[in-house]
Amino acid sequence: GDSVTQMEGPVTLSEEACLTINCTYTATGYPSLFWYVQYPGEGLQLLLKATKADDKGSNKGFEATYRKETTSFHLEKGSVQVSDSAVYFCALVPSNTGKLIFGQGTTLQVKP
Amino acid sequence: ETGVTQSPTHLIKTRGQQVTLRCSSQSGHNTVSWYQQALGQGPQFIFQYYREEENGRGNFPPRFSGLQFPNYSSELNVNALELDDSALYLCASSGQEVYNEQFFGPGTRLTVL
Repeated sequence: GDSVTQMEGPVTLSEEACLTINCTYTATGYPSLFWYVQYPGEGLQLLLKATKADDKGSNKGFEATYRKETTSFHLEKGSVQVSDSAVYFCALVPSNTGKLIFGQGTTLQVKP
Repeated sequence: ETGVTQSPTHLIKTRGQQVTLRCSSQSGHNTVSWYQQALGQGPQFIFQYYREEENGRGNFPPRFSGLQFPNYSSELNVNALELDDSALYLCASSGQEVYNEQFFGPGTRLTVL
């Protein structure tokens, strides 16, 4: 079945370091891909999305490119801030459905 | 524009009891999805309601049931609670097309003792 695999955390970085969180997926057809973020004590927020191959989603300095050939959607940021500390979830919506399938989440901790 | 709201925030029940969780969708949204998020895990899809009809269900037993009302708010009911039902229950609403971006509420933390 459809699934999402993320790199295990926690990921600990110093402020202004570069971030990459790996995400790969398994799906039939043409899923839409998403990154959600969950700040401590809060609900899930959509960070960015891409709906077709080679699309790049971007928001708040974060980027991810939909790579169909490698079935990947890695999250990147050039310079992280302490306020980016959160749990990041990669997710997909299979073609013709409305259900989100999430990865297990990656905790990011940014130290000053 | 009011976002997705859920009630209650926290709930403690004992094994075998029944629970009802509530969700108000974002204004203009007609689709509600429910997810279960166990501690340290990603959310798992329970089911989705579109215009008051169930529109897809995940791998959850029948004791998980739901409703959607004419105003598109929704309830999640869980019967015969088990210890493993302890989790954060998330509700998400989305717009006119079911594949649209889903907006999540803050969740209800259920603890089963």
